[in-house]
Amino acid sequence: GQQVMQIPQYQHVQEGEDFTTYCNSSTTLSNIQWYKQRPGGHPVFLIQLVKSGEVKKQKRLTFQFGEAKKNSSLHITATQTTDVGTYFCAVLSGNTPLVFGKGTRLSVIA
Amino acid sequence: DGGITQSPKYLFRKEGQNVTLSCEQNLNHDAMYWYRQDPGQGLRLIYYSQIVNDFQKGDIAEGYSVSREKKESFPLTVTSAQKNPTAFYLCASRAGLSGNTIYFGEGSWLTVV
Repeated sequence: GQQVMQIPQYQHVQEGEDFTTYCNSSTTLSNIQWYKQRPGGHPVFLIQLVKSGEVKKQKRLTFQFGEAKKNSSLHITATQTTDVGTYFCAVLSGNTPLVFGKGTRLSVIA
Repeated sequence: DGGITQSPKYLFRKEGQNVTLSCEQNLNHDAMYWYRQDPGQGLRLIYYSQIVNDFQKGDIAEGYSVSREKKESFPLTVTSAQKNPTAFYLCASRAGLSGNTIYFGEGSWLTVV
């Protein structure tokens, strides 16, 4: 089945530093979604990317979909303590279940 | 208030017992899913259902069972055959082919004592 590899597994940053997590696939993806899970919480949908080379922004978060549609990234500018959590990429194909990456756990040191 | 409700939030099980986790949604979604999450790990698919009275095994179905008798309900039973059931269980739903977004319940923590 389809798999997505996500790196890094963990990232510790000082508050105010930037953060990036990457999601890679060996096959072309039709779309990619990003979710955030706060500690002790449940995953919450952030965004979906569909088009080759697509870039979307949500305040300090920038999402990119690669030109070949095989990779994606989530970049956070000037992290804050509220950004703490695990960020997952996920792939949705037709009516099949969502396939998740293993996530990147972000810690922000104040 | 629309959404997905999971219960109980915390559950303790003795070894050898079956337990059932409830998942109810009032979003009128066709598809429902159960995922398992171990501490510091990603989400692994246990079972999913795309329509009432039909369900499919996911990647780690052994030791679990489900039913989908009603569109809004998709309970998960963790049986005694599941050797390591302590985990966080997440139920999710999706509108079907027309729906891209997956909505998650708040999860159920199961601990074997």
